[in-house]
Amino acid sequence: GEDVEQSLFLSVREGDSSVINCTYTDSSSTYLYWYKQEPGAGLQLLTYIFSNMDMKQDQRLTVLLNKKDKHLSLRIADTQTGDSAIYFCAVAGGLIKAAGNKLTFGGGTRVLVKP
Amino acid sequence: DGGITQSPKYLFRKEGQNVTLSCEQNLNHDAMYWYRQDPGQGLRLIYYSQIVNDFQKGDIAEGYSVSREKKESFPLTVTSAQKNPTAFYLCASSTGEPSSYEQYFGPGTRLTVT
Repeated sequence: GEDVEQSLFLSVREGDSSVINCTYTDSSSTYLYWYKQEPGAGLQLLTYIFSNMDMKQDQRLTVLLNKKDKHLSLRIADTQTGDSAIYFCAVAGGLIKAAGNKLTFGGGTRVLVKP
Repeated sequence: DGGITQSPKYLFRKEGQNVTLSCEQNLNHDAMYWYRQDPGQGLRLIYYSQIVNDFQKGDIAEGYSVSREKKESFPLTVTSAQKNPTAFYLCASSTGEPSSYEQYFGPGTRLTVT
């Protein structure tokens, strides 16, 4: 089945840009999502990209998709202390179709923003 | 406001007892999901349901049971057969339509079994 990988940890200074990376195995995945999880809370959908797009920008968030390398990234501009959280990428809709519209999640990247 | 509620936020049980976690949604979504999250780890799918009165096992269903008698509700029972039940449990829902995979999450229930 689909496999989604993320680095475990990212430390960044307040005001700098953060880049969180994700790789996946099913090259035909059509829906790719980024979720944010604050401590002790559920997951909040941040943004998403469809596979027919290379880039999507939404205020401070920029998503880049490299389909050839099966690589997805989330860039957070002007990172703030409130951006400290765990970020999950999730993919779906590939050839390895899953019943129930299931998403495959990466293991999450813990982002720590230092003042 | 539309959303997903999970209750309680914190739950404590003695080993050997069954416990039921509540999940309710008013988004009119057909599909609902239960995930387990362990410290420092990602989400693992326990059970999911695409429609009322139907549900399927996810990747780690052993020791858990669910029911889906109403569209709005998808309770999860953690049975005494679950060897390591202490975890953070997340419920989610989606429209279930073929072109829509986006899932909406509840706030989670942290279960501690001693």
